[in-house]
Amino acid sequence: DTAVSQTPKYLVTQMGNDKSIKCEQNLGHDTMYWYKQDSKKFLKIMFSYNNKELIINETVPNRFSPKSPDKAHLNLHINSLELGDSAVYFCASSQDGRRNGYTFGSGTRLTVV
Amino acid sequence: GNSVTQMEGPVTLSEEAFLTINCTYTATGYPSLFWYVQYPGEGLQLLLKATKADDKGSNKGFEATYRKETTSFHLEKGSVQVSDSAVYFCARENPGRRALTFGSGTRLQVQP
Repeated sequence: DTAVSQTPKYLVTQMGNDKSIKCEQNLGHDTMYWYKQDSKKFLKIMFSYNNKELIINETVPNRFSPKSPDKAHLNLHINSLELGDSAVYFCASSQDGRRNGYTFGSGTRLTVV
Repeated sequence: GNSVTQMEGPVTLSEEAFLTINCTYTATGYPSLFWYVQYPGEGLQLLLKATKADDKGSNKGFEATYRKETTSFHLEKGSVQVSDSAVYFCARENPGRRALTFGSGTRLQVQP
């Protein structure tokens, strides 16, 4: 059983399109995250949700909108895609992350052409 | 700030060599510290962690000790294998901010 699963694994799309990435965790964790990894492998937090409530919203263009229908799901919708949005997006979850660490999904490689 | 600094890679070693990847953090509060590993084409996996000063995290032959006096959390392994080739990330979580701040990652290449 995959603990944190995200779909799709690869996404190639044209500039200006709208796309969504889905994430689900079956660990019973109360907090979920989206991280972005750029071409130089640098990882940066985008959003976090705790029990469906937005907790962290970093400096991210408002074209990016997270949605958490329940505490096991956190989806990422991106409007009007731009070339600079090309990256790998990782979903993660945690329960008392300071003690237990965070569990990451396998990533979604987004390529905007 | 709440930053994490890692040594730049790539680090290239021969099999069975000793590994050290340096990591230092800014001394803001009392963070928990982590090492994550990313194998080619995969997501991040938690390698080890430490939650307070002098704690030692260990897993799969890797070790790191939380050193408050030097604000460091260096990753070590006594004898690396080709299968250890990956990108290693040092990370911190501060109290009151439930998110990881990552270092820039260090690529390790182990040659047979």
